[in-house]
Amino acid sequence: DTGVSQDPRHKITKRGQNVTFRCDPISEHNRLYWYRQTLGQGPEFLTYFQNEAQLEKSRLLSDRFSAERPKGSFSTLEIQRTEQGDSAMYLCASSQSGGRDTQYFGPGTRLTVL
Amino acid sequence: QKEVEQNSGPLSVPEGAIASLNCTYSDRGSQSFFWYRQYSGKSPELIMSIYSNGDKEDGRFTAQLNKASQYVSLLIRDSQPSDSATYLCAVLAGGTSYGKLTFGQGTILTVHP
Repeated sequence: DTGVSQDPRHKITKRGQNVTFRCDPISEHNRLYWYRQTLGQGPEFLTYFQNEAQLEKSRLLSDRFSAERPKGSFSTLEIQRTEQGDSAMYLCASSQSGGRDTQYFGPGTRLTVL
Repeated sequence: QKEVEQNSGPLSVPEGAIASLNCTYSDRGSQSFFWYRQYSGKSPELIMSIYSNGDKEDGRFTAQLNKASQYVSLLIRDSQPSDSATYLCAVLAGGTSYGKLTFGQGTILTVHP
């Protein structure tokens, strides 16, 4: 059973640039989540999808952030006009609805904004 | 008040001892509770889930849930140096926010030989 995968694993960018991250969930999972984690804190919820529908977005997700899951499989998270405060680990998780919604995390993408 | 709070760390225990990690939550509608382990620089790894009041054991790990007190704990028996990590308590929201995990800030556990 292949786990959740994320790409890239590391991204260094300059302030003001746009970045895009990709997440591939566990194949039979229909729910996909994005979280952000900064040093010394637990992950914070950003958004989640059930199939291709985006069901909830956190207030943390400013207008510079957008997430898509066009065919209900992989998802992308784009950050436009990056700021130094966007530096964090971006985590993707997936689960199967109908059960206990146990979420399994991918390895994360570490973003550094210079 | 934070939605999910964990006992402040870091926690240091000798090898072979029992490590006790505690967590309280504020949303009484929460139904599912999880413990994740996170090694430095890595992503969270699920180690236990619990949904009903009482104890749930899995190997050296025991999760305890008391919904009336809004309290979840994790006991690690016969602690090993490889258990040294940050432990994250996570609570699955109920109602319209179903699907959203809320995490505590984590407790750093160090098991010394």
